[in-house]
Amino acid sequence: QKEVEQDPGPLSVPEGAIVSLNCTYSNSAFQYFMWYRQYSRKGPELLMYTYSSGNKEDGRFTAQVDKSSKYISLFIRDSQPSDSATYLCAMRAGGYQKVTFGTGTKLQVIP
Amino acid sequence: DTAVSQTPKYLVTQMGNDKSIKCEQNLGHDTMYWYKQDSKKFLKIMFSYNNKELIINETVPNRFSPKSPDKAHLNLHINSLELGDSAVYFCASSQEERWTFFGQGTRLTVV
Repeated sequence: QKEVEQDPGPLSVPEGAIVSLNCTYSNSAFQYFMWYRQYSRKGPELLMYTYSSGNKEDGRFTAQVDKSSKYISLFIRDSQPSDSATYLCAMRAGGYQKVTFGTGTKLQVIP
Repeated sequence: DTAVSQTPKYLVTQMGNDKSIKCEQNLGHDTMYWYKQDSKKFLKIMFSYNNKELIINETVPNRFSPKSPDKAHLNLHINSLELGDSAVYFCASSQEERWTFFGQGTRLTVV
């Protein structure tokens, strides 16, 4: 079993839809949770980050972490064609521990 | 004012050659990383340096040797390149336990 599981998609939605992206994980030591957006032929761009359980909102994006279920989500409201990218969840334990990534979900928002 | 910059962006070389990829960060971060992204977009850590000291060394062939002349630079040297080394290599940096920022990647193609 992989430490971090993420559905690779692809996920196609119409413009304006609410998008839900999810990851599950098995390592209970993970404390820091991140979402990266990666456009084709570009580096991953840090989108959202949360520490421990809870919600965090930034504009159209909401990140949720449920440590009891080992489940994290990213919601995108009013999705736009410019949101079309691969979304990678990532997480790490404390200290100088490595970041472990999910495999990424490819999202396409259709105008 | 690129935060994490790596060169070259593209590298095409023949099997058996030796090549280097350079990385520099101007964020003042104390930790730098090399990640490899395969054709399926899976990002996996290779090395991590904290203040020029190697702290993470995943199972990577010893043909790969990182070098950190100072905490703002982390270079990757690869000896005797093989076809299977073709991938995108990302440099990244972070400060203490905080969030990791990525460069734009070096697309290595071994022919």
